[in-house]
This record gives sequence, C-alpha cells and structure tokens, in this order.
Amino acid sequence: DAGITQSPRYKITETGRQVTLMCHQTWSHSYMFWYRQDLGHGLRLIYYSAAADITDKGEVPDGYVVSRSKTENFPLTLESATRSQTSVYFCASSDSFGSFKETQYFGPGTRLLVL
Amino acid sequence: DAKTTQPTSMDCAEGRAANLPCNHSTISGNEYVYWYRQIHSQGPQYIIHGLKNNETNEMASLIITEDRKSSTLILPHATLRDTAVYYCIVRVRDYGGSQGNLIFGKGTKLSVKP
Repeated sequence: DAGITQSPRYKITETGRQVTLMCHQTWSHSYMFWYRQDLGHGLRLIYYSAAADITDKGEVPDGYVVSRSKTENFPLTLESATRSQTSVYFCASSDSFGSFKETQYFGPGTRLLVL
Repeated sequence: DAKTTQPTSMDCAEGRAANLPCNHSTISGNEYVYWYRQIHSQGPQYIIHGLKNNETNEMASLIITEDRKSSTLILPHATLRDTAVYYCIVRVRDYGGSQGNLIFGKGTKLSVKP
C-alpha cells in the first residue's frame, strides 16, 4: 500500500547499543523528516533531508545519525543508545518544503525503550 | 520558544461544532498558521493552514482574525473520532534550512463526548 511506514514499531534495547529505525515512503517525496516526541516537549525535529544524499540537522540532532542513499528510505541510527533517547520517533515526508502547499505526512511511529 | 498559546484541554458534544482557539500575537507577515492533530498512539495528521484569509477544506475551517494575532479551528460536526490533541503552529514561509521546521507545542486535547 502507498504511504509512509516505520519499522520496527516497538523496540527495547540496552544502553550503549546501536539501534537503527527505518522509514520508508512510497510517494517519491523529496523531503523526509525525523521527529521525537516526549511528554512535556511535544514533537521535536531531529534531522531532515531534502533529497538523496542531502541531510541537515534539526533541533535535537545530538546522538543521532541519518543517511539517505535512496529517495524512499530515511533510516535513523542511534550510535550508542542512552536512556534519554527513550521516546516515540516519528518519520514524515513532504513533496515540498517552504511552499504554501507543503504538507508533512507522518508515519505511525516507533516506540523505543532504552534500558 | 513556542509562538502559539492554546488551551490545554476542551470538551465538545458529539455532533456539535468544536471551536479551538489559538493565540499567536507575535506572528509576523511572512508566517503561516498551520493546524495538525494527533489521535492517540498515531502520527500527527495535517488539517489545514492559512496566511490571512479564512480557509475551508473537507476536514475543517480556519478563521484568522484581521490582525492575524489569533485564529480558530472549527470542526463543524465533531465526532468521537475527532478526539485528539490539536496543534496550532506558526511557520515561516519561503524559508530555508531549519527555519521552516514544524515546531509542535503542547496543543489542545479535545475530547468529544457522546
């Protein structure tokens, strides 16, 4: 089905381990985003990408790495997970960025628990 | 810092109009007003956005005051499925880099009751 999907939907890991969260969209949108959502903070942007091989930092990038070798995929890696990275992670995509017509479409989220 | 102020929570009777206010008194001329909502355990969903004119789509209407310092999202006939957290977001138009991020505050939790 067309849309934006995230995997895994739930993940439990331990402090210090590397974790990769996957995001895949079927619309061929140029722009993709990663947000985290924590109680009391709303959603905060981690990284975004304007196209394949073009990425940029958002509000809270520390501790995260992204890549975008293909337009449809935008994985987020926690190189050495910490308890403070326990959160719900949302991926989003958009066909534009900065125009009046822009709309971001969000995935269902990945719930990550770091022990 | 959040550019918008919204009530923490609101109730609405099923079938009635839900009017969700948002204050954005420091909005500048090149900023849009966006509304998203988040139903429990799901990703945020776009609803509507506008610059200075009132807007309407199949989901909702957006009323922006003439001075643009506040706006109201109207769900004309609320259903139980409209129970969600509603986010009002002010956002720069024609931006580059991180200026155009969607900055989600705490939103308004709307509870539609039978």
